[in-house]
Parts: sequence; C-alpha cells; structure tokens
Amino acid sequence: QVQLQESGPGLVKPSETLSLTCNVSGGSVSRGSYYWSWIRQPPGKGLEWIGYVYYSGTTNYNPSLKSRVTISADRSKNQFSLKLTSVTAADTAVYFCARDAWGYAYQFDYWGQGTLVTVSS
Amino acid sequence: DIQMTQSPSSLSASVGDRVTITCRASQSINTYLNWYQQKPGKAPKLLIYAASNLQSGVPSRFSGSGSGTDFTLTISSLQPEDFATYYCQQSFSTSRTFGQGTKVEVK
Repeated sequence: QVQLQESGPGLVKPSETLSLTCNVSGGSVSRGSYYWSWIRQPPGKGLEWIGYVYYSGTTNYNPSLKSRVTISADRSKNQFSLKLTSVTAADTAVYFCARDAWGYAYQFDYWGQGTLVTVSS
Repeated sequence: DIQMTQSPSSLSASVGDRVTITCRASQSINTYLNWYQQKPGKAPKLLIYAASNLQSGVPSRFSGSGSGTDFTLTISSLQPEDFATYYCQQSFSTSRTFGQGTKVEVK
C-alpha cells in the first residue's frame, strides 16, 4: 500500500520561501510511470495543481506559479520536495502531495493527508 | 491551460436520489478525465479514472461517462456517505487542471 506524508513548517512569513517534503512509503520515486505531484487548496476553495517531478528529474509546473516553484526528488530518501519562493497570504493553503499514475489516463491515485501552511507575519 | 467547468456548483439532494454532475473542458481531452470525492478535512479520493473506469473499492453506484469535451458523473442512488464535494480533473495536458467543484448537500 502506497502512503504519502507531507512535512514542513506550518507558518511562513511573507516574502520568504515555503518548503515542504513528501515522504513516500510502499512505492518508489525512482520508478518510472509515475509523476510525483504537489496540489494545494486554499481554505474554502478548490484544488490547484502546482507541479510534478518524474523519476528522471524532469519537472513540469503550473504556468501561474512557474516562476516561484521548484519541485525535486531525493531518490536516496524516497521523497520529493516543494519550494515556493516569495510567498504572500494568497499562498495560504492546505498542501497535498500525490502520485500521478497511468491507468488509461494519468490520475492522482494516492494522496497525502495534507498539511496547512499559513503565510503570516 | 485547459479550463474545466463543472455544473452545478452545488446541489441539494436526498438519500436515494439519482445525482448527475457535469464537467466541460475548454478543448477536447479525449477521455483523459478523472473524478474525485472530497470530504471536509480530508484528501480527495479517486472515484473514476479515464472518464468511465471505476477505481478499485469504489461502490458501483458511481459511474462516469463522456469523451471529448463533455463528461458526467452519476450517483445512481445517493447514500449518506456521499454528501461531499466532487471535482473533475483533466490529464490530457501535462499541465493538470481541476474543475471548481460541486458540493452535494442534504436537501
């Protein structure tokens, strides 16, 4: 059974960098056929895809966030990470990590429980 | 970006009702369309992938259909545990996008 678990600070100051890590168990970030994604959800709002990293290191980001986002994978620790720079209150959200897997389409089949990040001074 | 538009944004229904939610893509996405259920404080749960395929463990009262730009999620007989918010999501584009969500509430 694949499990994902987000970790990182719950409070970040405006203009600073948000950093989160997703630890993967029961699966490998080194294996092909999966994209490892970050998705966020502002309080009371819908889901927004942030981006993904492939096992090869290839990344793809939401165009609206591309200039501020870096997603990377650490194969030795079987985890992947999100960095979002120059945060503002608009970046306050629950951040989810998820596996994007192929099955006639790509779909997010496993999710972490989510972690709330608040941007405030 | 491919825009995904769901309708309605919310609906009220009773246990036993048949519920239909629609999702429209701004361009053709073949059948690269997934549906998720989300309950308050929880991560979304995959229900339907590739437009019409039921995810393992999901009750058969859930079904999906459509291709191209128009898609439908149907709950054949609404159960108490189905009151939640539902999202569609496209994976045709490498830039994934979600619909805005449909909240199914108790009538």
